[in-house]
Amino acid sequence: SQTIHQWPATLVQPVGSPLSLECTVEGTSNPNLYWYRQAAGRGLQLLFYSVGIGQISSEVPQNLSASRPQDRQFILSSKKLLLSDSGFYLCAWSSGVDKQETQYFGPGTRLLVL
Amino acid sequence: AQTVTQSQPEMSVQEAETVTLSCTYDTSESNYYLFWYKQPPSRQMILVIRQEAYKQQNATENRFSVNFQKAAKSFSLKISDSQLGDTAMYFCAFMSSNSGYALNFGKGTSLLVTP
Repeated sequence: SQTIHQWPATLVQPVGSPLSLECTVEGTSNPNLYWYRQAAGRGLQLLFYSVGIGQISSEVPQNLSASRPQDRQFILSSKKLLLSDSGFYLCAWSSGVDKQETQYFGPGTRLLVL
Repeated sequence: AQTVTQSQPEMSVQEAETVTLSCTYDTSESNYYLFWYKQPPSRQMILVIRQEAYKQQNATENRFSVNFQKAAKSFSLKISDSQLGDTAMYFCAFMSSNSGYALNFGKGTSLLVTP
């Protein structure tokens, strides 16, 4: 069966510091991968998605970036964090067969920028 | 752009009772996909049920079922025999078949199941 991991689970970072969140998927090949952010009291917003190694699409302009160095690894980064980057970050995967395949989410990372 | 509206910020139901959560959406497309996700206190987003718009039959997963009214653009979730473990935020989500990879989420309904 497929599993998705995210780490760290919780992160407290000062404003202006760099960020690296990691997501890995097991039990599947060539998945589509996604980064979502959930602000307090709101639904999720798609930040990035990837349909293959090195292929990244951005949904919203921001100071965050994403990379996919391996088939089942997806990384969310920032060079300098802003207070507004605080939130709950969820990674998701879906089968790469069709973009309408169901998305399955990881456990998430709580990020607090102080 | 598609929008998803959940008009009930909070709901409460007693254990073993039935509760219905509402969701409406706005789209000009005829083919799309609808989902209900559950987010318990752990905050992991868990798929509850999925409905393809081209299917007339309402999806069912054990105690969870939907009432999909395509003409009314309504997609409600019914939870039967509610259990304490059903306490969670429930999010309705929409995905277009013609554009984009994003799930468009509503703002959620907080469901509390009481003993």
